[in-house]
Amino acid sequence: DVKVTQSSRYLVKRTGEKVFLECVQDMDHENMFWYRQDPGLGLRLIYFSYDVKMKEKGDIPEGYSVSREKKERFSLILESASTNQTSMYLCASSLRTYSGGTEAFFGQGTRLTVV
Amino acid sequence: KQEVTQIPAALSVPEGENLVLNCSFTDSAIYNLQWFRQDPGKGLTSLLLIQSSQREQTSGRLNASLDKSSGRSTLYIAASQPGDSATYLCAVMGYGGATNKLIFGTGTLLAVQP
Repeated sequence: DVKVTQSSRYLVKRTGEKVFLECVQDMDHENMFWYRQDPGLGLRLIYFSYDVKMKEKGDIPEGYSVSREKKERFSLILESASTNQTSMYLCASSLRTYSGGTEAFFGQGTRLTVV
Repeated sequence: KQEVTQIPAALSVPEGENLVLNCSFTDSAIYNLQWFRQDPGKGLTSLLLIQSSQREQTSGRLNASLDKSSGRSTLYIAASQPGDSATYLCAVMGYGGATNKLIFGTGTLLAVQP
């Protein structure tokens, strides 16, 4: 079974802290994604990566950065956490394809609260 | 810019009823469409993946159809059960050079009453 694992289920951080959210997948997928999910707004794409060290901004990258030093690991970084970054964060991965597209698999989510 | 819409936003049905969830998208240049289920406070579980060249996919009591030209997909759930209660999300994977971006609808919250 494909497994996408996020390092924490719940996280509480203080305003101004630097926060790292980690995601690891075990299926050798090229594509990895970070989304945030808020009531009434659905899932919004923050960043995605299509290969090691490659990244592209999604729809809401402000206040976030990412790191992909190894294929299996994609990290989301909140440089200086703010209360409006309190949210559910979801990581996903999929194979990269130019001809068909493949199934995306999600982690269990990290509920981040910034106080 | 691709936009994905799901109707209705919420649905409550009695157990045993057949039901249809709708998903529409504005840009037909997609690789595939995927339906997910999300239980409260949890991650997303993939239900069905339909490639752009396909018309439908089936898994157990679930059947998903895709009409790319009209930008629509439906998820049909037969003989609904209380355990089907969850939020159902559709997502389209579009063209994008080296990348395969996945764009989501806002979901349909389904409640199946015993």
